[in-house]
Order: sequence, then structure tokens, then C-alpha cells
Amino acid sequence: TQLLEQSPQFLSIQEGENLTVYCNSSSVFSSLQWYRQEPGEGPVLLVTVVTGGEVKKLKRLTFQFGDARKDSSLHITAAQPGDTGLYLCAGHSPLNSGYALNFGKGTSLLVTP
Amino acid sequence: DAGVTQSPTHLIKTRGQHVTLRCSPISGHKSVSWYQQVLGQGPQFIFQYYEKEERGRGNFPDRFSARQFPNYSSELNVNALLLGDSALYLCASSLSGTYYNSPLHFGNGTRLTVT
Repeated sequence: TQLLEQSPQFLSIQEGENLTVYCNSSSVFSSLQWYRQEPGEGPVLLVTVVTGGEVKKLKRLTFQFGDARKDSSLHITAAQPGDTGLYLCAGHSPLNSGYALNFGKGTSLLVTP
Repeated sequence: DAGVTQSPTHLIKTRGQHVTLRCSPISGHKSVSWYQQVLGQGPQFIFQYYEKEERGRGNFPDRFSARQFPNYSSELNVNALLLGDSALYLCASSLSGTYYNSPLHFGNGTRLTVT
């Protein structure tokens, strides 16, 4: 199993602040995905990064995939209370004839007004 | 269009009992995967099914089993429940059984509590 470590585990910030969360592994991934999960709901896919060094932007969220495809970061600019949730990174692990996603433990973000 | 639906939303069982969780995928999706999410952890892969065949199995004991029906819905069964089986069980559907261009869509899960 390819392990993904996320940091920080918890983050509490004020509205308007910027933040970065990290996802690291000792293994190379063909791609990494970022999900956001709100209480009582399933994870929702935010982005998939595929190419080493790739940067993708989704409104105030910026995702980067490391050059060696072992790590990724998520940067949020001017955080809002609606950004509150659990941010999960996941890497694809091929199975014999299918695939599984290996998830990190997540970063729990709280944005207060 | 309806998303992935799971039932029941919450369930309380006693140690040693059996449980069946149900999942209906998004219309047109042929693959269903099951994940277990223990409090404070990320989801952990249990099974993937595609076209009614098991495509993969995670590191879970034989007490866990699943199947996919001709209409692509799926059931997850857990026998001889243990306290440690208490978790949120997530079902996810995707168009195909392969990873590329077939992202997972998760349901809101079944919260299982074993007492």
C-alpha cells in the first residue's frame, strides 16, 4: 500500500487568511486527486493532477503536483467559512483488473468569520 | 440527475450480528466501489465491482463480502460484527472499471455503530 501523509492534521484560521496543506508520499503516483468532505457527506472530487510540476486553479484554490510526482499541495487564498471541511488527497493504485484509491488521513480545516 | 444513494443512512447493531448496506449508483455508471472511513481517518478501500464482477479487494477479512446486481446496484455484507467495524461506509460509482477519465462519485454513506 502506498502511504500518503497529510499535514497539518488540523487547521483553524480566520476568514480572509491564506493557507497551504500538504500531501506527501515516498512513492511515485501516476496522478493524485484532492477531495473535500463536509460533515455527514461523502467526499467530493475537487481536482486531479497528472503531470509532474502541474498547477491547476479552481477559483481561490490552487493545486500543485510535485515534479517527482510524490507530493502535492493545496493553497487556498482568502479563505471563507464555506471552505470549512476535511481535505483529502488520494492516489490511484492499480489492481489486477481495476483500481483503488489510497487516501491520506486528511486535513480538517475550520474557517471562522 | 440523482447521485449515488445509500441506505440506510444510520444503523446500530450489536456485536456478532450481520449487516447489509445498499448502494444505487448514478444512472449509467457500471462500477461500484466500497470504502470504510473510521472516525479521524481517510476512506479505506474495501471492494470494487464492475459489470457484476469483483475487480479488486482491499485488506479486509472474509467477514466482508459484496455483490453487484444486474441493475448495477450493490450490497455490502458484514458478518460477525466487531466494535471496530463502527465506521462510515461509503459507496462510490464510476462509469467504467478503469481509472482514466472515470472519476469516482461518492454517496453520503451509511453510519454504522456496533455496540
